Amino acid sequence: DIQMTQSPSTLSASVGDRVTITCRASQSISNSLAWYQQKPGKAPKLLIYMASTLESGVPSRFSGSGSGTEFTLTISSLQPDDFATYYCQQYKYYKSFGQGTKVEIK
Amino acid sequence: QLQLQESGPGLVKPSETPTLTCTVSGGSISSGSYYWGWVRQPPGKALEWIGAIYYNGNTYYSPPLKSRFTISVDTSRNQFSLRLSSVTAADTAVYYCARQSGAFGYYFDFWGQGTLVTVSS
Repeated sequence: DIQMTQSPSTLSASVGDRVTITCRASQSISNSLAWYQQKPGKAPKLLIYMASTLESGVPSRFSGSGSGTEFTLTISSLQPDDFATYYCQQYKYYKSFGQGTKVEIK
Repeated sequence: QLQLQESGPGLVKPSETPTLTCTVSGGSISSGSYYWGWVRQPPGKALEWIGAIYYNGNTYYSPPLKSRFTISVDTSRNQFSLRLSSVTAADTAVYYCARQSGAFGYYFDFWGQGTLVTVSS
């Protein structure tokens, strides 16, 4: 199976900061990657699919890049509503998620 | 707007075989184009995909979990279900149902609110 590893596990940042989260796959997954945002007690929300395609309604400050085994999610200017946990998910071979990156207030 | 709502027993005893149901509103499971899946999340831990079903009953499962989970669909009620077998404390988690989009149900674009299943004697 394909293992997904996110870094960092926790990220402390301030409103307005540029934030980057990395996701690495244990083998090549082409661009078969999605990103989700999850807030406490809530279901995840799809942000990006196909590594870089923004889901409808998601603010343009979110962007995704990468292919093969290394991917990034970037928030260009962190907003108060963005403090949450972010997960990557591969769908090249079945489906698996990363362990999550918590973005907290610095 | 599409909505999904999970329902289930909440508290179950070890070795029991509970069933969770996801009721879909604002759209039809029978319309095709989507898979309908289950994802779980143990308290404080990451998400884990369990499996999915197409409206015609075709299923596919995460290989490590395949032997213990069964997904079924009832298109007349616009519902799909997850049966867990011989549960243990390790199955304690929030269980989400979700719509899987993309050519073969790749990613999850609509989610239910989740239902907590606690396994305890």
